[in-house]
Amino acid sequence: GDSVTQMEGPVTLSEEAFLTINCTYTATGYPSLFWYVQYPGEGLQLLLKATKADDKGSNKGFEATYRKETTSFHLEKGSVQVSDSAVYFCALLYNQGGKLIFGQGTELSVKP
Amino acid sequence: DTGVSQDPRHKITKRGQNVTFRCDPISEHNRLYWYRQTLGQGPEFLTYFQNEAQLEKSRLLSDRFSAERPKGSFSTLEIQRTEQGDSAMYLCASSSREGWDEQYFGPGTRLTVT
Repeated sequence: GDSVTQMEGPVTLSEEAFLTINCTYTATGYPSLFWYVQYPGEGLQLLLKATKADDKGSNKGFEATYRKETTSFHLEKGSVQVSDSAVYFCALLYNQGGKLIFGQGTELSVKP
Repeated sequence: DTGVSQDPRHKITKRGQNVTFRCDPISEHNRLYWYRQTLGQGPEFLTYFQNEAQLEKSRLLSDRFSAERPKGSFSTLEIQRTEQGDSAMYLCASSSREGWDEQYFGPGTRLTVT
């Protein structure tokens, strides 16, 4: 079945370091891809999305490119801040208004 | 609009009891979703509604679970005869007709079954 796999955490970085969180997916069609973020004590928030191959989603300095050939949607940020500490979830969505399929989440901790 | 709200935020119950959670979506969002999240895992889909119609149910939604959205606005999720394995965070999300691919999540209801 369809699934999303993320790199295991926790990931610990120093402030201003480069971030990559790997995400790969298995799907029979052409889903839309998402990154959601969950800050401590808060609900899930949409961070960015890409709806077709080669699209790049970006928001708050984060970027991810939809790579169909490698079935990947890796999250990157050039310089992380302490405030980026959170759990990040990669997800896919198929049909209009349908269910999101999430990865297991990757916890990021940024130290000053 | 303050976003998706859920009530209660926390619920502790004894095994075998029934519990009911409520979700109020963003106004005029016609789609409403329920997910379950256990510790260290991503949310898992349970069911979703378009207006008052329940369009899809996961196999995770056993016959002890029932969800309703009677007037196409708020929704309730009931769990009957709770089991310890039901302990989880129950998340509600909603999306609009135009922004169908952007689901907005509520803060969740954390259920603990003792």
